[in-house]
Amino acid sequence: GAGVSQSPSNKVTEKGKDVELRCDPISGHTALYWYRQSLGQGLEFLIYFQGNSAPDKSGLPSDRFSAERTGGSVSTLTIQRTQQEDSAVYLCASSLVSGEPGVEQFFGPGTRLTVL
Amino acid sequence: GENVEQHPSTLSVQEGDSAVIKCTYSDSASNYFPWYKQELGKRPQLIIDIRSNVGEKKDQRIAVTLNKTAKHFSLHITETQPEDSAVYFCAAVSGTYKYIFGTGTRLKVLA
Repeated sequence: GAGVSQSPSNKVTEKGKDVELRCDPISGHTALYWYRQSLGQGLEFLIYFQGNSAPDKSGLPSDRFSAERTGGSVSTLTIQRTQQEDSAVYLCASSLVSGEPGVEQFFGPGTRLTVL
Repeated sequence: GENVEQHPSTLSVQEGDSAVIKCTYSDSASNYFPWYKQELGKRPQLIIDIRSNVGEKKDQRIAVTLNKTAKHFSLHITETQPEDSAVYFCAAVSGTYKYIFGTGTRLKVLA
């Protein structure tokens, strides 16, 4: 019954450290998306999962970014050797199916990442 | 690459007046156009959407229009209220998952 959840809600890290962000989609949702929202900016697409596979990784900014999804459910976004420009809110969204256009995405509350 | 332009970036209106936000997209394959509202510190939530085979859709005080020839779509909010104050994002969707969001419009409704 719960919506999309993300953890942690806030993360402060030092430049050069690795971070891992977690997303729990709505149960039964096969499609999962990661976005990045910088201060005052729109939503930047990072990666899309259909089940456990990621057919589109085109939005990942660099090879420091990676994501995986296991069991068709939980997803983790990992940022290695964080840089100050990685500071942003990372939003996860899920949708019920991804076989038709126009299926609503439900967003999580986001993880605010601050790289010092 | 594909992009969505959204205007204005900020909009202030008096309570009771109307607000209009406009978006233009580049990908002619886009076939679904949702609008999301994001209140301060909260997650984006879908408020209205329109598919490419429809020119206009209305839901109480909110309406969206689509002009596929010109590749633009607009959000109209009538009789604005203070609780309408938020950031509004448009998106153009092609295929089954490719969401391209606009940069957002910060709407302030002045009481």
